[in-house]
Amino acid sequence: AQSVAQPEDQVNVAEGNPLTVKCTYSVSGNPYLFWYVQYPNRGLQFLLKYITGDNLVKGSYGFEAEFNKSQTSFHLKKPSALVSDSALYFCAVRDMRASNTGKLIFGQGTTLQVKP
Amino acid sequence: GAVVSQHPSWVICKSGTSVKIECRSLDFQATTMFWYRQFPKQSLMLMATSNEGSKATYEQGVEKDKFLINHASLTLSTLTVTSAHPEDSSFYICSASAGQAGGYNSPLHFGNGTRLTVT
Repeated sequence: AQSVAQPEDQVNVAEGNPLTVKCTYSVSGNPYLFWYVQYPNRGLQFLLKYITGDNLVKGSYGFEAEFNKSQTSFHLKKPSALVSDSALYFCAVRDMRASNTGKLIFGQGTTLQVKP
Repeated sequence: GAVVSQHPSWVICKSGTSVKIECRSLDFQATTMFWYRQFPKQSLMLMATSNEGSKATYEQGVEKDKFLINHASLTLSTLTVTSAHPEDSSFYICSASAGQAGGYNSPLHFGNGTRLTVT
C-alpha cells in the first residue's frame, strides 16, 4: 500500500537553529514525493518535490529535503529556522497506480514551532 | 505560478440546506481536480477526484449523493454539500495540477480552503 508517515506530531526549534521535519514513505515503484506547508485556515503551499535526480532537493523559502532510498525517507530541512516558519507541514506521495489518477497521499502532518 | 481560487472562504448555513463551493484554476487548465476534507489538527482526507467532462470518482465511504461534484470546464470544479448537517462542518480544500492530465511530475496547487459551519 502507498503510505506516508510523519512520526512527530510537533517539532520545536529555536530561531536561528537548523530544523528537520521527518517523513518516511512506503510505495510500490519509484516515489514521487512532495512537501507542503499550511498556515492556519489556509490551503497548502507547495515547498518542494523529488521526482528523480539529485537526492538533495532545494525548494521555496530556504527549505530543502533529502531523499534517501535505502531508508525510504524524505526529511525536510532548513539550516536556520525563522519564527515565520511556524506552521503545519505535510509530506505527501503521489499515487502512481494506474487507477488512481495521481492523487496525493498525505502524512499526518507535523506542527513546527519556532521560538524566538 | 499556478493559482487555484476557492470560494467562499467561509460559509455558515442552516441544517438541511445546500452549500456550493467553487474551485477555479486561474492561469492554467486543470483536467483533474481533487477535493479534500480536513478536520481540526488532522491530515487531509481525499473525498473525490473530479475529471472534466466526466463523473467524479469518489473515495470509499464518501457519499456521492451528498457531496455532488461537477467539473464542467477545464478551469472550474464545484462541490455541493447537499442537505448539510452539523457533522458536515469541516474545512474543505480543492487542488489541481498544472501539468498534463496524469502529469505526476507536477505538484498539486491548492485553494485556500472553505470553512463550512452547519448550525
